[in-house]
Amino acid sequence: GQNIDQPTEMTATEGAIVQINCTYQTSGFNGLFWYQQHAGEAPTFLSYNVLDGLEEKGRFSSFLSRSKGYSYLLLKELQMKDSASYLCAVRSRPDSSYKLIFGSGTRLLVRP
Amino acid sequence: EAGVAQSPRYKIIEKRQSVAFWCNPISGHATLYWYQQILGQGPKLLIQFQNNGVVDDSQLPKDRFSAERLKGVDSTLKIQPAKLEDSAVYLCASSSAGASTDTQYFGPGTRLTVL
Repeated sequence: GQNIDQPTEMTATEGAIVQINCTYQTSGFNGLFWYQQHAGEAPTFLSYNVLDGLEEKGRFSSFLSRSKGYSYLLLKELQMKDSASYLCAVRSRPDSSYKLIFGSGTRLLVRP
Repeated sequence: EAGVAQSPRYKIIEKRQSVAFWCNPISGHATLYWYQQILGQGPKLLIQFQNNGVVDDSQLPKDRFSAERLKGVDSTLKIQPAKLEDSAVYLCASSSAGASTDTQYFGPGTRLTVL
């Protein structure tokens, strides 16, 4: 089966750094996505990793270790607008089609 | 570039009534997805289309849910009859070809409340 785990909630302070972890179990792994979702809005794409290592994009970075089934999203210089849910999603190809399975999301609260 | 369009944004119905949602994907995107997102959970795939053909509908409750994409562009998702547990946000997403390099882009969603 497929399983994705991420913390339910995290709290951090404006200007700080926060790391949101995601562990997964899947067959036919074909990439890992991070999406940001503000309350009442659609998920928006943040990052994509398919090879091991760190991908940096401005204040956001994402890391992947395929052997460990582990990823993290790193947010630097936190801003109040970063308060949102962060969804880890794993793409796999168990049969002839690609499937994207989402975790339940991590709700991040940024405090002043 | 225009994003994924969905309507209506909100819908309130009573149980056992019918409801339909509409989605227009990003222009040129061959693959269209419908997701159900229950409060506090991640999106769950209901159905995936490649052009006007169904690729995956394994998690679609076919006794009450149906979806179509007749001309390979816009799509409708219908629930008939609705149950209380169908209260959720229904998200439509699209990607250019459904291939390994494709990113899915989401519409604003339709928030359904079943009373």
